[in-house]
Amino acid sequence: KQEVTQIPAALSVPEGENLVLNCSFTDSAIYNLQWFRQDPGKGLTSLLLIQSSQREQTSGRLNASLDKSSGRSTLYIAASQPGDSATYLCAVSYDKVIFGPGTSLSVIP
Amino acid sequence: DGGITQSPKYLFRKEGQNVTLSCEQNLNHDAMYWYRQDPGQGLRLIYYSQIVNDFQKGDIAEGYSVSREKKESFPLTVTSAQKNPTAFYLCASSTDGASGIVEQYFGPGTRLTVT
Repeated sequence: KQEVTQIPAALSVPEGENLVLNCSFTDSAIYNLQWFRQDPGKGLTSLLLIQSSQREQTSGRLNASLDKSSGRSTLYIAASQPGDSATYLCAVSYDKVIFGPGTSLSVIP
Repeated sequence: DGGITQSPKYLFRKEGQNVTLSCEQNLNHDAMYWYRQDPGQGLRLIYYSQIVNDFQKGDIAEGYSVSREKKESFPLTVTSAQKNPTAFYLCASSTDGASGIVEQYFGPGTRLTVT
């Protein structure tokens, strides 16, 4: 069965700290993996997409890595800011897209 | 601007009434999706469509119906048969995967409250 999990479910850090969010998937035969951000009551905003042939992608303070063999992806956020507070979801694309449950991040000023 | 629009943002209905949620995209994507999100839970797939005039049930299709008469539009009807319709509904579209990439884009969502 294809499943996606995210750890931790919630995370609270002081402003300025670097942090890592984790995404695990059971089937390594993926098309790609996408990281999203969701603010309360809003839709999902795409942050990064990593193709199955890629190892990492970077956008500003965000860096996402992909290790298909171990079924893992990480989202690294450098120098966190209060504006980074949101829920972060990973989505793995197979013949269908499967979402993880998300990690709720709170960055404390 | 290219993107996905959903309307209305908030919708209130009485129990027993059908209600239709709108989703429009101008990204020229073939694939479109409807998800439901409940508090503290992940996204659950209701229906998806990979091409005009064709759609498939997702994981929780009971009590919902869709149509795909135009590439740009994928409306969702929440029928009176849906036992617990109050939720946040998200529409998405994506590239078709033929290139090996499925990249999803989401609308702003519609919050439906049924009393």
